[in-house]
Amino acid sequence: KQEVTQIPAALSVPEGENLVLNCSFTDSAIYNLQWFRQDPGKGLTSLLLIQSSQREQTSGRLNASLDKSSGRSTLYIAASQPGDSATYLCAVPTLSYQLIWGAGTKLIIKP
Amino acid sequence: SQTIHQWPATLVQPVGSPLSLECTVEGTSNPNLYWYRQAAGRGLQLLFYSVGIGQISSEVPQNLSASRPQDRQFILSSKKLLLSDSGFYLCASDGGEANTGELFFGEGSRLTVL
Repeated sequence: KQEVTQIPAALSVPEGENLVLNCSFTDSAIYNLQWFRQDPGKGLTSLLLIQSSQREQTSGRLNASLDKSSGRSTLYIAASQPGDSATYLCAVPTLSYQLIWGAGTKLIIKP
Repeated sequence: SQTIHQWPATLVQPVGSPLSLECTVEGTSNPNLYWYRQAAGRGLQLLFYSVGIGQISSEVPQNLSASRPQDRQFILSSKKLLLSDSGFYLCASDGGEANTGELFFGEGSRLTVL
Protein backbone atom coordinates (compact mmCIF):
# COMPACT_ATOMS: atom_id res chain seq x y z
CA LYS A 1 0.00 0.00 0.00
CA GLN A 2 1.42 3.35 -1.07
CA GLU A 3 2.25 5.83 1.66
CA VAL A 4 3.47 9.37 1.13
CA THR A 5 5.39 11.29 3.76
CA GLN A 6 6.45 14.92 3.78
CA ILE A 7 9.22 16.23 5.96
CA PRO A 8 9.38 18.67 7.63
CA ALA A 9 5.79 19.32 8.67
CA ALA A 10 6.58 23.00 9.10
CA LEU A 11 9.44 25.25 8.09
CA SER A 12 10.16 28.90 8.83
CA VAL A 13 13.03 30.64 7.05
CA PRO A 14 14.12 34.22 6.35
CA GLU A 15 13.35 35.75 3.01
CA GLY A 16 15.94 35.13 0.31
CA GLU A 17 17.01 31.68 1.42
CA ASN A 18 17.01 28.68 -0.88
CA LEU A 19 15.10 25.76 0.59
CA VAL A 20 14.19 22.15 -0.04
CA LEU A 21 10.95 20.38 0.76
CA ASN A 22 10.94 16.61 0.85
CA CYS A 23 8.39 14.02 -0.24
CA SER A 24 8.94 10.29 0.10
CA PHE A 25 6.82 7.39 -1.12
CA THR A 26 6.95 3.70 -0.29
CA ASP A 27 6.03 2.13 -3.65
CA SER A 28 8.35 3.19 -6.46
CA ALA A 29 5.93 2.02 -9.17
CA ILE A 30 4.40 5.44 -9.71
CA TYR A 31 3.11 7.04 -12.91
CA ASN A 32 3.90 10.56 -11.83
CA LEU A 33 4.23 12.83 -8.83
CA GLN A 34 2.61 16.21 -8.46
CA TRP A 35 3.44 19.14 -6.22
CA PHE A 36 0.75 21.60 -5.12
CA ARG A 37 0.56 24.67 -2.95
CA GLN A 38 -2.40 25.65 -0.84
CA ASP A 39 -2.89 29.10 0.61
CA PRO A 40 -5.01 29.34 3.77
CA GLY A 41 -8.69 28.91 2.98
CA LYS A 42 -8.00 28.45 -0.72
CA GLY A 43 -7.96 25.65 -3.23
CA LEU A 44 -4.89 23.82 -4.44
CA THR A 45 -2.64 25.21 -7.14
CA SER A 46 -0.70 22.75 -9.24
CA LEU A 47 2.99 23.66 -9.23
CA LEU A 48 4.81 20.87 -11.02
CA LEU A 49 4.03 17.44 -12.41
CA ILE A 50 6.89 15.00 -12.89
CA GLN A 51 6.22 11.97 -15.04
CA SER A 52 7.81 8.69 -13.97
CA SER A 53 10.23 8.89 -16.90
CA GLN A 54 11.49 12.32 -15.88
CA ARG A 55 14.04 13.24 -13.27
CA GLU A 56 13.14 16.86 -12.79
CA GLN A 57 10.86 19.70 -13.79
CA THR A 58 11.37 23.42 -13.47
CA SER A 59 9.00 26.36 -13.31
CA GLY A 60 10.48 29.73 -12.50
CA ARG A 61 12.14 29.58 -9.08
CA LEU A 62 10.79 26.09 -8.47
CA ASN A 63 12.55 22.86 -9.32
CA ALA A 64 11.18 19.44 -8.52
CA SER A 65 13.24 16.28 -8.75
CA LEU A 66 12.20 12.66 -8.74
CA ASP A 67 14.23 9.61 -7.75
CA LYS A 68 11.96 6.62 -8.09
CA SER A 69 14.53 4.09 -6.96
CA SER A 70 14.91 5.79 -3.59
CA GLY A 71 11.24 6.78 -3.37
CA ARG A 72 11.94 10.48 -3.05
CA SER A 73 11.03 13.79 -4.58
CA THR A 74 12.28 17.20 -3.59
CA LEU A 75 10.88 20.64 -4.28
CA TYR A 76 13.59 23.26 -4.40
CA ILE A 77 12.56 26.90 -3.98
CA ALA A 78 15.19 29.43 -4.91
CA ALA A 79 15.43 32.91 -3.42
CA SER A 80 12.35 32.48 -1.24
CA GLN A 81 9.86 35.34 -0.91
CA PRO A 82 7.09 36.05 1.62
CA GLY A 83 4.57 35.22 -1.13
CA ASP A 84 5.89 31.66 -1.12
CA SER A 85 4.35 31.16 2.31
CA ALA A 86 1.78 28.38 1.97
CA THR A 87 1.31 24.67 2.58
CA TYR A 88 3.02 22.50 0.01
CA LEU A 89 1.58 19.10 -0.79
CA CYS A 90 2.84 16.23 -2.89
CA ALA A 91 0.69 13.42 -4.27
CA VAL A 92 1.05 10.26 -6.33
CA PRO A 93 -1.74 8.52 -8.27
CA THR A 94 -2.93 4.97 -7.87
CA LEU A 95 -4.56 2.74 -10.46
CA SER A 96 -8.04 3.53 -9.14
CA TYR A 97 -8.20 7.31 -9.71
CA GLN A 98 -7.13 7.92 -6.15
CA LEU A 99 -4.30 10.23 -5.26
CA ILE A 100 -2.22 9.37 -2.22
CA TRP A 101 -1.37 12.60 -0.46
CA GLY A 102 1.38 13.68 1.85
CA ALA A 103 0.33 15.61 4.95
CA GLY A 104 2.01 18.74 3.65
CA THR A 105 4.77 21.11 4.69
CA LYS A 106 3.65 24.45 6.06
CA LEU A 107 6.16 27.02 4.87
CA ILE A 108 6.56 30.47 6.37
CA ILE A 109 8.95 32.95 4.77
CA LYS A 110 9.81 35.76 7.15
CA PRO A 111 10.36 39.23 5.62
CA SER B 1 -5.10 25.91 -19.37
CA GLN B 2 -8.35 25.03 -17.74
CA THR B 3 -10.35 26.87 -15.10
CA ILE B 4 -12.55 25.30 -12.47
CA HIS B 5 -15.39 27.31 -10.95
CA GLN B 6 -17.03 26.36 -7.69
CA TRP B 7 -20.00 27.92 -5.96
CA PRO B 8 -21.04 28.90 -3.48
CA ALA B 9 -17.69 29.78 -1.96
CA THR B 10 -19.08 29.76 1.57
CA LEU B 11 -22.18 28.14 2.96
CA VAL B 12 -23.67 27.89 6.47
CA GLN B 13 -26.46 25.37 6.75
CA PRO B 14 -28.49 23.87 9.62
CA VAL B 15 -28.39 20.16 10.35
CA GLY B 16 -30.95 18.31 8.28
CA SER B 17 -31.06 20.84 5.45
CA PRO B 18 -30.25 19.96 1.84
CA LEU B 19 -27.02 20.80 0.05
CA SER B 20 -26.02 21.53 -3.51
CA LEU B 21 -22.47 22.48 -4.47
CA GLU B 22 -21.73 23.09 -8.11
CA CYS B 23 -18.56 22.81 -10.11
CA THR B 24 -18.02 23.73 -13.75
CA VAL B 25 -14.90 23.33 -15.84
CA GLU B 26 -13.71 25.50 -18.70
CA GLY B 27 -10.93 24.92 -21.19
CA THR B 28 -11.11 21.17 -21.58
CA SER B 29 -13.48 18.48 -22.76
CA ASN B 30 -14.26 14.99 -21.49
CA PRO B 31 -12.37 15.41 -18.22
CA ASN B 32 -12.38 13.09 -15.25
CA LEU B 33 -13.93 15.06 -12.41
CA TYR B 34 -13.46 14.67 -8.67
CA TRP B 35 -14.98 15.86 -5.41
CA TYR B 36 -12.63 16.02 -2.42
CA ARG B 37 -13.28 17.03 1.16
CA GLN B 38 -10.68 18.57 3.41
CA ALA B 39 -11.63 18.59 7.08
CA ALA B 40 -9.97 21.15 9.34
CA GLY B 41 -6.34 20.20 9.94
CA ARG B 42 -6.66 17.02 7.94
CA GLY B 43 -5.74 15.78 4.52
CA LEU B 44 -7.76 15.46 1.35
CA GLN B 45 -10.36 12.73 1.14
CA LEU B 46 -11.70 11.64 -2.25
CA LEU B 47 -15.48 11.48 -2.14
CA PHE B 48 -16.57 10.90 -5.74
CA TYR B 49 -15.09 10.73 -9.19
CA SER B 50 -16.68 10.69 -12.61
CA VAL B 51 -15.25 9.53 -15.93
CA GLY B 52 -18.20 10.77 -17.99
CA ILE B 53 -21.75 12.11 -18.04
CA GLY B 54 -23.94 10.17 -15.63
CA GLN B 55 -21.02 8.02 -14.43
CA ILE B 56 -20.30 8.42 -10.73
CA SER B 57 -18.10 6.34 -8.47
CA SER B 58 -18.26 6.75 -4.72
CA GLU B 59 -15.17 6.24 -2.61
CA VAL B 60 -16.69 6.77 0.82
CA PRO B 61 -20.12 5.65 2.11
CA GLN B 62 -21.96 8.71 3.37
CA ASN B 63 -25.08 10.78 3.03
CA LEU B 64 -23.64 12.73 0.13
CA SER B 65 -24.25 12.08 -3.55
CA ALA B 66 -22.85 13.42 -6.79
CA SER B 67 -24.19 13.90 -10.27
CA ARG B 68 -22.72 14.84 -13.62
CA PRO B 69 -25.51 16.13 -15.84
CA GLN B 70 -23.15 17.64 -18.42
CA ASP B 71 -19.60 16.94 -19.55
CA ARG B 72 -18.11 19.84 -17.61
CA GLN B 73 -20.55 20.08 -14.71
CA PHE B 74 -20.24 18.19 -11.44
CA ILE B 75 -22.67 18.59 -8.54
CA LEU B 76 -22.35 17.47 -4.93
CA SER B 77 -25.60 17.07 -3.04
CA SER B 78 -27.14 15.95 0.19
CA LYS B 79 -30.77 15.54 1.21
CA LYS B 80 -30.05 16.00 4.93
CA LEU B 81 -26.79 17.45 6.21
CA LEU B 82 -25.01 16.14 9.28
CA LEU B 83 -22.65 18.07 11.55
CA SER B 84 -19.85 15.85 10.29
CA ASP B 85 -20.40 17.12 6.74
CA SER B 86 -18.72 20.41 7.66
CA GLY B 87 -15.53 20.94 5.74
CA PHE B 88 -13.84 22.38 2.72
CA TYR B 89 -15.05 20.81 -0.53
CA LEU B 90 -12.81 20.89 -3.55
CA CYS B 91 -13.67 20.04 -7.12
CA ALA B 92 -10.85 18.81 -9.34
CA SER B 93 -10.38 17.97 -12.98
CA ASP B 94 -7.72 16.29 -15.02
CA GLY B 95 -6.75 17.47 -18.49
CA GLY B 96 -9.53 15.63 -20.30
CA GLU B 97 -8.60 14.74 -23.84
CA ALA B 98 -5.23 16.41 -23.32
CA ASN B 99 -4.66 14.61 -20.04
CA THR B 100 -1.07 14.39 -18.84
CA GLY B 101 -2.01 13.18 -15.38
CA GLU B 102 -1.98 16.67 -13.92
CA LEU B 103 -4.85 17.49 -11.61
CA PHE B 104 -6.36 20.97 -11.34
CA PHE B 105 -8.46 22.28 -8.47
CA GLY B 106 -11.13 24.88 -7.97
CA GLU B 107 -11.09 27.46 -5.19
CA GLY B 108 -13.25 25.35 -2.92
CA SER B 109 -16.55 25.67 -1.09
CA ARG B 110 -16.47 25.98 2.67
CA LEU B 111 -19.46 24.35 4.34
CA THR B 112 -20.36 24.85 7.98
CA VAL B 113 -23.20 22.76 9.34
CA LEU B 114 -24.69 24.08 12.59
